[in-house]
Amino acid sequence: EDQVTQSPEALRLQEGESSSLNCSYTVSGLRGLFWYRQDPGKGPEFLFTLYSAGEEKEKERLKATLTKKESFLHITAPKPEDSATYLCAVMTTDSWGKLQFGAGTQVVVTP
Amino acid sequence: ETGVTQTPRHLVMGMTNKKSLKCEQHLGHNAMYWYKQSAKKPLELMFVYSLEERVENNSVPSRFSPECPNSSHLFLHLHTLQPEDSALYLCASSQDAIYSYNEQFFGPGTRLTVL
Repeated sequence: EDQVTQSPEALRLQEGESSSLNCSYTVSGLRGLFWYRQDPGKGPEFLFTLYSAGEEKEKERLKATLTKKESFLHITAPKPEDSATYLCAVMTTDSWGKLQFGAGTQVVVTP
Repeated sequence: ETGVTQTPRHLVMGMTNKKSLKCEQHLGHNAMYWYKQSAKKPLELMFVYSLEERVENNSVPSRFSPECPNSSHLFLHLHTLQPEDSALYLCASSQDAIYSYNEQFFGPGTRLTVL
């Protein structure tokens, strides 16, 4: 059975304190791994797609990396506006169009 | 309007009511999705439509009935719901469902409360 597990469940950071979020997955075949950001009361906002091990993508203070078993979302020198829940999702080779989501990591960045 | 819009944003209904959720995408996409997001649980895929044809029904109870009249509009018809159906219902769209690695873009959701 395909599984997506995110850790930690919650993370509290001081402004400027860099950290990483983990998304580990067990799937039959990976088509793509997606990162989203979700603010309270809003829908998820797309951040990155990673397709193959070794791939990296960056956007402002965020950097996503992918290995054969997990993905990391690195937050460098976070600001309070980076506070959100970060979701990862996988699309497998036998589940076209279907995203399987992890439970998310809630990040709070304090000034 | 841009992106994916959903109406209403909030809905309170009794268990005997019938209501509908509406989703509209302004991105020119061919695939649309309904998800359910309950507290402390991962997003659950409910339905997938590709070119107005339902291609996935993820074991959803029949009290939820989707409708996709064209590639820009998606509805979720609700009847005789249960309190455990209270959740955030999210609509999403992507360029294509079947051959796609494409990212899905989400609407703001409808917060549903069933009394």
